Amino acid sequence: NAGVMQNPRHLVRRRGQEARLRCSPMKGHSHVYWYRQLPEEGLKFMVYLQKENIIDESGMPKERFSAEFPKEGPSILRIQQVVRGDSAAYFCASSPGLAGAGETQYFGPGTRLLVL
Amino acid sequence: GESVGLHLPTLSVQEGDNSIINCAYSNSASDYFIWYKQESGKGPQFIIDIRSNMDKRQGQRVTVLLNKTVKHLSLQIAATQPGDSAVYFCAELTQGGSEKLVFGKGTKLTVNP
Repeated sequence: NAGVMQNPRHLVRRRGQEARLRCSPMKGHSHVYWYRQLPEEGLKFMVYLQKENIIDESGMPKERFSAEFPKEGPSILRIQQVVRGDSAAYFCASSPGLAGAGETQYFGPGTRLLVL
Repeated sequence: GESVGLHLPTLSVQEGDNSIINCAYSNSASDYFIWYKQESGKGPQFIIDIRSNMDKRQGQRVTVLLNKTVKHLSLQIAATQPGDSAVYFCAELTQGGSEKLVFGKGTKLTVNP
């Protein structure tokens, strides 16, 4: 069973460009989470999605950031008009159900975004 | 601010010694805790978890202890190996609330041969 897949692993963008980060959850997992990690810091929650629904986006900046998890295909985290402060590692996690039901979140390898 | 924090940012041990990594949390409503290991350039890897109805849980070479009275969590690694060198994060979650994990800043463990 393949783990959580993320691509690209590294992404370089110039200020003002768009960044698209993709995440394919583990097989059988219908819950997807995105986290951001700045250097030397812990991960910070951004958004939690289930198929075709955003459940909790309380950690997502109100502007320029959006996320989706369509019925078919990977989850996408989209950052429009990137700024240098967006440079970070973005991690996707997936789980087959809720933590309240005893399920754990498993993480992908991350996408490292560098904004020049 | 963060509801999960760590006492020590770095820990250096000799190969074969036991390691203890500590974590303090401030949200008394948190009832699920996880330890993750993150190697350089990789994503967090699940190590072990514990729920608030337990105070100890053991895995292979690892033990997690939970002290709800003082809101403290620790990860013990027995017979530490060079491959254990990584940053270790504790994370907490409140079941029945949001599904988001709240992470501490991490402890960097270095194992000297």
